[in-house]
Amino acid sequence: EVQLVESGGGVVRPGGSLRLSCAASGFTFDDYGMSWVRQAPGKGLEWVSGINWNGGSTGYADSVKGRFTISRDNAKNSLYLQMNSLRAEDTAFYYCARGWTSSGYKSYWDYWGQGNLVTVSS
Amino acid sequence: EIVLTQSPGTLSLSPGERATLSCRASQSVSYNYLAWYQQRPGQAPRFLIYGASSRATGIPDRFSGSGSGADFTLTISRLDPEDFALYYCQQYADSPPTFGQGTKVEIK
Repeated sequence: EVQLVESGGGVVRPGGSLRLSCAASGFTFDDYGMSWVRQAPGKGLEWVSGINWNGGSTGYADSVKGRFTISRDNAKNSLYLQMNSLRAEDTAFYYCARGWTSSGYKSYWDYWGQGNLVTVSS
Repeated sequence: EIVLTQSPGTLSLSPGERATLSCRASQSVSYNYLAWYQQRPGQAPRFLIYGASSRATGIPDRFSGSGSGADFTLTISRLDPEDFALYYCQQYADSPPTFGQGTKVEIK
C-alpha cells in the first residue's frame, strides 16, 4: 500500500524557517517524481514545488521561488521542503504528492499524504 | 501560465441525480493533459481522472471525464451520498501545473 506521511509543520513567526519531511513507503521511491502542493485554509489547491526521480530537476511556483528548496533522499525514501523567509500568506496545509512519471513536476498526482499544517503568525 | 476556470461554483443536487462540472482553460491543453480530483472535508485530494477521460484505478464508473482542447467536463452519472464534495481540475501540460478554483457539489 502506497503511503506518504508528512511531518515538520507547526507555528513559525514571519521571516522564520521550517523544514517539512515526507516519508514514502509501499512503492519504489526513486521511480517517481514528487511534488509539494499546498492549500490555505478554506481555499483551493496550489502547486508549490516538484522534483524528478534523482533530484536533478526541480521547479518552483513563482510565489516561493528563492525562498523554498525541495530535495529528496532516495536512500531514505524521503522528500523534503526547506522553507525560509516565511510569510503569513504561506500559511496552509502542505501535501506531499507522487507524480505519474519519474521525470518531473509537469504531472498529475495519484497519491497524496494527509497534509501538514504550517502557520506563519507573530 | 494556463488559468483554469471551473463552473458552476456550487452545484446543488439530490442523490441519484446527474452532475455535470465544467473546466475551461485559458489556452488549449496539449495532449489533453487534464486531471480531476475529489476532496471531502478534512481529507486530502483523491485522484479521479487523467488524460481528460481515463479513470484512475479503483474509481467507480459513474465518474467520467470528457473534452479536449480548452473545454473539459467531469460527469457523475448518479450521485452517491459519498460524492458530495469539492472537485478540482488540474492541467499538467504546461509549467507551472495549475488547478481550477473548484466546484462544490452539495446536497439539495
